[in-house]
Amino acid sequence: GAVVSQHPSRVICKSGTSVKIECRSLDFQATTMFWYRQFPKQSLMLMATSNEGSKATYEQGVEKDKFLINHASLTLSTLTVTSAHPEDSSFYICSARDLRTLNTEAFFGQGTRLTVV
Amino acid sequence: AQSVTQLDSQVPVFEEAPVELRCNYSSSVSVYLFWYVQYPNQGLQLLLKYLSGSTLVKGINGFEAEFNKSQTSFHLRKPSVHISDTAEYFCAVTKTGGSNYKLTFGKGTLLTVNP
Repeated sequence: GAVVSQHPSRVICKSGTSVKIECRSLDFQATTMFWYRQFPKQSLMLMATSNEGSKATYEQGVEKDKFLINHASLTLSTLTVTSAHPEDSSFYICSARDLRTLNTEAFFGQGTRLTVV
Repeated sequence: AQSVTQLDSQVPVFEEAPVELRCNYSSSVSVYLFWYVQYPNQGLQLLLKYLSGSTLVKGINGFEAEFNKSQTSFHLRKPSVHISDTAEYFCAVTKTGGSNYKLTFGKGTLLTVNP
């Protein structure tokens, strides 16, 4: 099956710094990638949808200047948390859609545990 | 807009017992339905999906689900669970024909299989 690799799996950063999370589709072309945030023991909340080569579409309430998303190629999307604060600590998960499967399935990365201290 | 309700936040069962995880959805348009499993500190893995056709869908690891349009349900079942099935399970929907495939998730059900 299709593989999505997310890196890093865990990161600890100081308050005020920026953190970049990478999401790569390893064996397929991802026209669309999604970024989710998951709080402990809760569901996944969609943050934004990115299409290759265009600006991301953010969900209501998500600060686009704080969560910068870049989808410059068909195999890579990045999420940068700028000026991170402790309340940004969370589990971030990306998913990608495969052109070949007629848009019915998305594949998920392993997630990134961000801790801001 | 779509919404998903997973009626049980936690389901404890004994090993080799049958289990059913309940999922109901609400939508004004046709939807595709999915069940995902999440192990601790990991991403999501697709268990099964309903797109069209037979309402009984079989997935990986011995799981199956039945789509019931009249009851707007998509309950997940397994006849005999293993310790390794302990995980969080998410039901999700997306509207058919959508160009971006945006998933709406339920809040999840923690399945705990005890020896």
